[in-house]
Amino acid sequence: SQTIHQWPATLVQPVGSPLSLECTVEGTSNPNLYWYRQAAGRGLQLLFYSVGIGQISSEVPQNLSASRPQDRQFILSSKKLLLSDSGFYLCAWNPGQTQGRTIYFGEGSWLTVV
Amino acid sequence: GEDVEQSLFLSVREGDSSVINCTYTDSSSTYLYWYKQEPGAGLQLLTYIFSNMDMKQDQRLTVLLNKKDKHLSLRIADTQTGDSAIYFCADPNAGNNRKLIWGLGTSLAVNP
Repeated sequence: SQTIHQWPATLVQPVGSPLSLECTVEGTSNPNLYWYRQAAGRGLQLLFYSVGIGQISSEVPQNLSASRPQDRQFILSSKKLLLSDSGFYLCAWNPGQTQGRTIYFGEGSWLTVV
Repeated sequence: GEDVEQSLFLSVREGDSSVINCTYTDSSSTYLYWYKQEPGAGLQLLTYIFSNMDMKQDQRLTVLLNKKDKHLSLRIADTQTGDSAIYFCADPNAGNNRKLIWGLGTSLAVNP
């Protein structure tokens, strides 16, 4: 069966520090991968999605970047965090090249920028 | 662009039925989803309904779809305190597999 792992679960980072959130999917190949942010416990904002290794699409201009160095690995990064980057970050996947398929989420990472 | 709207809050008493409503604009969706997010956790798929169905029942959950009015509802019978969560309606946006369109979520509070 497929599983998705996301880490770290929580982190507190000072303003201006770097960020790296990692996500891996097991039990499938060539998935679509996503990073979402949920601010203040409401509303999901799609940040990045990827349909293959090295293929990243950004949905909103921001202080963050994403990379997909391997088929089932998706990394969310920042060189210098802002206070406004605080939030709940969710990695997700669904089967590639299939329209309308269910999207599966990781457990999320709580980021507090202080 | 396509949109999904939900009311933000719902409060019910334990044992009553809860009805969470959602409206959407995309007329080409083949599925519509309900996701549940418990406090501090990721989202989990709760149920879904094919666009060629009017109703789907799954134990305490009943999903109703009115395609004419583009209205989706989730009914939870005999609501329990463990049902307290945020419920998201999502439209897979048939025109683009990658961009599910999400409502803002309905926060369900169940009072004893």
